[in-house]
Amino acid sequence: TQLLEQSPQFLSIQEGENLTVYCNSSSVFSSLQWYRQEPGEGPVLLVTVVTGGEVKKLKRLTFQFGDARKDSSLHITAAQPGDTGLYLCAGGDSGYALNFGKGTSLLVTP
Amino acid sequence: DAGITQSPRHKVTETGTPVTLRCHQTENHRYMYWYRQDPGHGLRLIHYSYGVKDTDKGEVSDGYSVSRSKTEDFLLTLESATSSQTSVYFCAISESRTGSRNQPQHFGDGTRLSIL
Repeated sequence: TQLLEQSPQFLSIQEGENLTVYCNSSSVFSSLQWYRQEPGEGPVLLVTVVTGGEVKKLKRLTFQFGDARKDSSLHITAAQPGDTGLYLCAGGDSGYALNFGKGTSLLVTP
Repeated sequence: DAGITQSPRHKVTETGTPVTLRCHQTENHRYMYWYRQDPGHGLRLIHYSYGVKDTDKGEVSDGYSVSRSKTEDFLLTLESATSSQTSVYFCAISESRTGSRNQPQHFGDGTRLSIL
């Protein structure tokens, strides 16, 4: 199993602040996905990155895949309370399944 | 939203009893997965299926079995439930694209299972 380490584990910020969360591995992934999970619900896909160095933007969220395809980051600009949730990264290898990190729990207070 | 229904949504049962969780999809996706989510461990794969009657073990398969007799249904069975299997269980699906693995997964809303 290829391990994905996410940091920080917990993050509590005020509305309007910027933040970055990280997803790191010693293994190369063919693709990497970011999900957000809210309490009582299943994870929901935010983005998939497949090319080393790729940057994708989703409104105030910016996702980057490392050049070597071993790491990724998620940057949120001007966080809002609606961004609160558990952010999970998941990497794909040569198989059918995904390997999930343990997640970063984000709380944005007004 | 992907059409994935998990049932039941909540269940409390006793140690030693059999438990079956059901995942039903309306998307006709080839791949289906069962995960458990626990504090400090994240999402861990139990079993997955890559077609009718085609299943394989994941990271934490001990104590669990699965069956897939129809494309739309994937059942997870705990033959004799133990307290360590208290968890939130998620089903996920993904579609198949030729030459491309690791497609995005769409999750159900989970089943909260408590074993006393």
